[in-house]
Amino acid sequence: KQEVTQIPAALSVPEGENLVLNCSFTDSAIYNLQWFRQDPGKGLTSLLLIQSSQREQTSGRLNASLDKSSGRSTLYIAASQPGDSATYLCAVGEGSARQLTFGSGTQLTVLP
Amino acid sequence: DTGVSQDPRHKITKRGQNVTFRCDPISEHNRLYWYRQTLGQGPEFLTYFQNEAQLEKSRLLSDRFSAERPKGSFSTLEIQRTEQGDSAMYLCASSLPGVRGTEAFFGQGTRLTVV
Repeated sequence: KQEVTQIPAALSVPEGENLVLNCSFTDSAIYNLQWFRQDPGKGLTSLLLIQSSQREQTSGRLNASLDKSSGRSTLYIAASQPGDSATYLCAVGEGSARQLTFGSGTQLTVLP
Repeated sequence: DTGVSQDPRHKITKRGQNVTFRCDPISEHNRLYWYRQTLGQGPEFLTYFQNEAQLEKSRLLSDRFSAERPKGSFSTLEIQRTEQGDSAMYLCASSLPGVRGTEAFFGQGTRLTVV
């Protein structure tokens, strides 16, 4: 059974700092990996999708990498801002339905 | 395109009552998913539709839960005889078809509280 782990569970950084969020998964038979942002009490906002054949994706200040063979992904956030404060979730797409298996998230706080 | 829409946003119900939630996916998305999220955890997969066909169900989906997508457009999730353990956020997601899977877009969720 796939297990997705995100470390750290919580992170607090001063504004302007570059940071890395980590995600690991136990079964490398995945189709894709997706990073999401979730604000308190809200739904999920898709940030980046990396197909299993890709190594990285970039969107603005965000860069996500995927090393499928080692079961790891990282989300790099450059020049963090207070508006980046949220919970960040990674999820791997697998199975006949391509359903997502999620980690428990990293709660990020960016201090002004 | 208004994204994935879920209704209601919040539902408080007494234990033993039935509840029904609705999801309207992005119009051209033929894949629709239901997930459940409890506090401090990531969402967990419940069930999957491709067009009107329910093709996958998680073991989490007990026989008190039923989902439909009658015309391959909107979907409903019904919980019968609710229990306090059903209290959670119920999330709907939709995506385009694709062999490797495509980007999933989520709604704002329905927060269920069973008292």
